[in-house]
Amino acid sequence: TQLLEQSPQFLSIQEGENLTVYCNSSSVFSSLQWYRQEPGEGPVLLVTVVTGGEVKKLKRLTFQFGDARKDSSLHITAAQPGDTGLYLCAGALTNAGKSTFGDGTTLTVKP
Amino acid sequence: DSGVTQTPKHLITATGQRVTLRCSPRSGDLSVYWYQQSLDQGLQFLIQYYNGEERAKGNILERFSAQQFPDLHSELNLSSLELGDSALYFCASGQGGTDTQYFGPGTRLTVL
Repeated sequence: TQLLEQSPQFLSIQEGENLTVYCNSSSVFSSLQWYRQEPGEGPVLLVTVVTGGEVKKLKRLTFQFGDARKDSSLHITAAQPGDTGLYLCAGALTNAGKSTFGDGTTLTVKP
Repeated sequence: DSGVTQTPKHLITATGQRVTLRCSPRSGDLSVYWYQQSLDQGLQFLIQYYNGEERAKGNILERFSAQQFPDLHSELNLSSLELGDSALYFCASGQGGTDTQYFGPGTRLTVL
């Protein structure tokens, strides 16, 4: 079983639409990261959230960490083709020394 | 540019062979992580080193080994290669523990 469940697995939308992707777990995380990965390249860090209930904004992207630090969401407003990619969440358990990655959401934004 | 470098970028070899992948972490980072990513498996954690010592182990095969040197660069050795070892191999670096990881561009390994 995957420690971090990401949904949906695949998402295809038109340019200009809004979307939300989710990262859920039954475990509590001390921090959680979101990455975006393009084909053949390494994941690129978008944000780190550490406080329950925290909301961070990065231009058209809004990240939220759940109050209980068990889940997170990524909302994209007015999606653009350049947002296309694999979105990965990764969480660090409070008693572990490494992060665990979800399987990701593959987003395609059509012009 | 994350500051993490990996060489080589591409590697093509035959079954049964042995290869070494190299990673240099960001300046100041003490921890190096290795991941394998194949089409059907997602990003799989292999192993973590912190300041030269093994810190955590994931789904790393016995045919694979790694080490981190005094200058903090790391090498991942893959031996007795099989077709199923074909994948992207990523190195990431960080401060260690529950911190953020910064990924290199990856090495694409093709085993023929």
